[in-house]
Amino acid sequence: EVQLVESGGGLVQPGGSLRLSCAGSGFIFSSYWMTWVRQAPGKGLEWVANIKQDGSEKHYLDSVKGRFTISRDNAKNSLYLQMNSLRAEDTAVYYCARDIAAAGWVFGYWGQGALVTVSS
Amino acid sequence: DIVMTQSPDSLVVSLGERATINCKSSQSIFYSSNNKNYLAWYQLKPGQPPKLLFYWASIRDSGVPDRFSGSGSGTDFSLTISSLQAEDAAVYYCQQYYNTPITFGQGTRLEIK
Repeated sequence: EVQLVESGGGLVQPGGSLRLSCAGSGFIFSSYWMTWVRQAPGKGLEWVANIKQDGSEKHYLDSVKGRFTISRDNAKNSLYLQMNSLRAEDTAVYYCARDIAAAGWVFGYWGQGALVTVSS
Repeated sequence: DIVMTQSPDSLVVSLGERATINCKSSQSIFYSSNNKNYLAWYQLKPGQPPKLLFYWASIRDSGVPDRFSGSGSGTDFSLTISSLQAEDAAVYYCQQYYNTPITFGQGTRLEIK
């Protein structure tokens, strides 16, 4: 069974940093693109970043470029999101997601989410 | 960036009736080389992660009831739920995966009466 478990969320002051982790199990982690998607309170889904199987290709939402860094450690079956210079508008539930084999960046598997609150 | 626009923003439909949600992309998300539309649909309920319903616009994901159907091509797509059940109350999102940034529609809230 595919499982994705996020950790590392919490309360942080504006300008602060936080690192989210996502542990994958039940599948060959190194075979899939991995993605972070967020949902701000009362708002819709927003794609944040994704990373290719070997980490050689990464894509970011414009509003997080230069502040967030996505990375992965295939040996540890783990995905990360380093978030720096956090802003109030980054407050959201952050989901780790895995694409499905039959299509491209389609998210068939999701973690339960990690809440990040940016507030003073 | 490809903008995804859903309509309506919300709708209320009676139990057992049909609901249709529309999604329009600001440019075509049809890739002629493989004849596929890069469009997915998700269902989101409070306190749960999103659930994939369709990909390639009309391919139902495993376990999705056949009262759900997806259609459309190019820039105009629809999600139809026939014979609505109480458990179908949720917010529905379309998503394009034609290119990055991957973008979602703003969501359509479906209420069942």
